[in-house]
Parts: sequence; structure tokens; C-alpha cells
Amino acid sequence: EPEVTQTPSHQVTQMGQEVILRCVPISNHLYFYWYRQILGQKVEFLVSFYNNEISEKSEIFDDQFSVERPDGSNFTLKIRSTKLEDSAMYFCASSGGPGQLYEQYFGPGTRLTVT
Amino acid sequence: KQEVTQIPAALSVPEGENLVLNCSFTDSAIYNLQWFRQDPGKGLTSLLLIQSSQREQTSGRLNASLDKSSGRSTLYIAASQPGDSATYLCAVPDNYGQNFVFGPGTRLSVLP
Repeated sequence: EPEVTQTPSHQVTQMGQEVILRCVPISNHLYFYWYRQILGQKVEFLVSFYNNEISEKSEIFDDQFSVERPDGSNFTLKIRSTKLEDSAMYFCASSGGPGQLYEQYFGPGTRLTVT
Repeated sequence: KQEVTQIPAALSVPEGENLVLNCSFTDSAIYNLQWFRQDPGKGLTSLLLIQSSQREQTSGRLNASLDKSSGRSTLYIAASQPGDSATYLCAVPDNYGQNFVFGPGTRLSVLP
């Protein structure tokens, strides 16, 4: 069964450093998402991406964040100048159609620890 | 803005019991609702997706129902097992966008 994959599974970085989290969505999906979950809190939406551009972003997704689909398979989340409060589990998801209508498939997550 | 709540926040039951987890959402104009399972420190495993045209969806010992008009969904787990211990999340689309809005989850412990 097709699945969303994410690398790395765990990333430790120092405050102020840049990190890139990688995702490989399901191959025939067109819509891509990033969510995050701070320990003990709800899963929160960050950004959605369609047709090589951001279609929606939350208040959390400020200028330190960016997303990119550098090739036909990868979808990346870049965090510039990480802060302690960026420590969280980051989930990538993809869907075959618009998120309101279609099931979203989630990856296993990347645990980001900022020290 | 869509808001999702789940009760109870935590539940502890002996093995073999049937149980019901509840999810409520404020904007009833949804196209679907998804239930997920999350093990500690792990990712999200999709359990069931209910389309708005459906009232129920079943997978093995799990049955999810959806009452759009009242803004509620329930997840019924039959004959619970210790392996069912996890946090169960429900999520609905934010109708002003394409993302899902998640509830806080119900942390389930099934005791052997």
C-alpha cells in the first residue's frame, strides 16, 4: 500500500540553525501539507501546497518557514534560524484531491529537537 | 472557524469492554471526518474516514458514526484489547481552507 515517508525520523539542532525536513508524498497525489504537534498539544496545520505554490498557510507559518517541491517526488519544509519553541513533531500529509473532500494520508513524522 | 473537542480526555477500561469515544465540531458543513490513532511519540494512523453522505463506517472492531446536523461523531471500539491503548484523534476539514482541524484526543488505556 502506498505511504507517505519522512526523513529524518529525528533531528537535533542548535538554536539559530537551519533545518530541512523531507517528505515523499504518495506518488499520484497532488495536494501536500505540513502539520506540527508540540509535545502534549493538538496537531496544528502549518501549510498546504498545490500546483507548485502555497495554497494556504496558518498564522504559525511565518517568514522563518518555507516549503518547496524541488523535484517530482520530494516535498520539503525548511525552518530558518530555529527557535526552542520549534521543537515538535512535524507531519507531512498528502491527498489525491482538495483537502476538504479527500482523505489525507500522514507520514510517520520527524521529531525536531532544538537545543 | 472550525473547533473540535473530544471527550473524555482520558479513559481507562478493563480488557474486553466496549467503549465509545466522542468528537464534537462546531461547523457542521463538512465533507468528511477522519479518526486517527496515535501511539506515544509516534505518527498518525488513519483508522476510518466517514464521508458526509455516510452515517457509519466500520473496520473490524471499530465503528464510527457521524451526525452532521448535531456536529458529532462517535468511535465505538468493541471488545477492547490492551493493544488498543493509544490516543485517538478526530479531525474535520476546515471549510475555509484545505487543512484538517484536529481535536485534542482521547487517551485510552486498556488494562489486561
